[in-house]
Amino acid sequence: QTQLQQSGPGLVKPSQTLSLTCAISGDSVSSNSVAWNWIRQSPSRGLEWLGRTYYLSKWNYDYATSVKSRITINSDTSRNQFSLQLNSVTPDDTAVYYCARWAHQDRHFDLWGRGTLVTVSS
Amino acid sequence: DIVMTQSPLSLPVTPGEPASISCRSSQSLLYSNGQNYLNWYLQKPGQSPRLLIYLGSNRASGVPDRFSGSGSGTDFTLKISRVEAEDVGFYYCMQALQTPLTFGQGTRLEIK
Repeated sequence: QTQLQQSGPGLVKPSQTLSLTCAISGDSVSSNSVAWNWIRQSPSRGLEWLGRTYYLSKWNYDYATSVKSRITINSDTSRNQFSLQLNSVTPDDTAVYYCARWAHQDRHFDLWGRGTLVTVSS
Repeated sequence: DIVMTQSPLSLPVTPGEPASISCRSSQSLLYSNGQNYLNWYLQKPGQSPRLLIYLGSNRASGVPDRFSGSGSGTDFTLKISRVEAEDVGFYYCMQALQTPLTFGQGTRLEIK
């Protein structure tokens, strides 16, 4: 059974970097049939897609315009996981962050992590 | 970016009665291959979203057949033929045509 296990701090200070990891079991981060995504949810923004990484002959990255200057998504093949880094956070980045798997063929999220509440506060 | 607009935002329903949620996109989600890149998700209280419908009208694995999706282009509908108590939660449409992937605001279904 494929699962996504999220980890990372639940509290980040303003101006610092938010870092989360999503460990994959039952699938491969290098699979060429899926993409690995980060999505967040807050009362003010609703569900907001942040970005993704996927391997098709090479590693590819897509980011939402709203966070493009601050976001990095990396993949770690040795640990079979991917990560999110969001720099220079503000209280507006407070949200539940989800990792999710995207199926390329039918274009949908078919597997989600359980979510991590990240609060940005001093 | 493609803007997704759902209505209604709140939907009280009596068990056993039907329910319908509308989703409109700011541009057509109909691709040249004839597929509509529109998904529906249900987020139950305290849970992550779960896929209900993909490509506009295809039920995901394990989804009861009382759920159905229809529509094309910019107008889509999710229908529940007979609402059950376990159907409470927030329903979201999402366009899968292009990045950035975008979601509707959500529709809260509650039991009367």
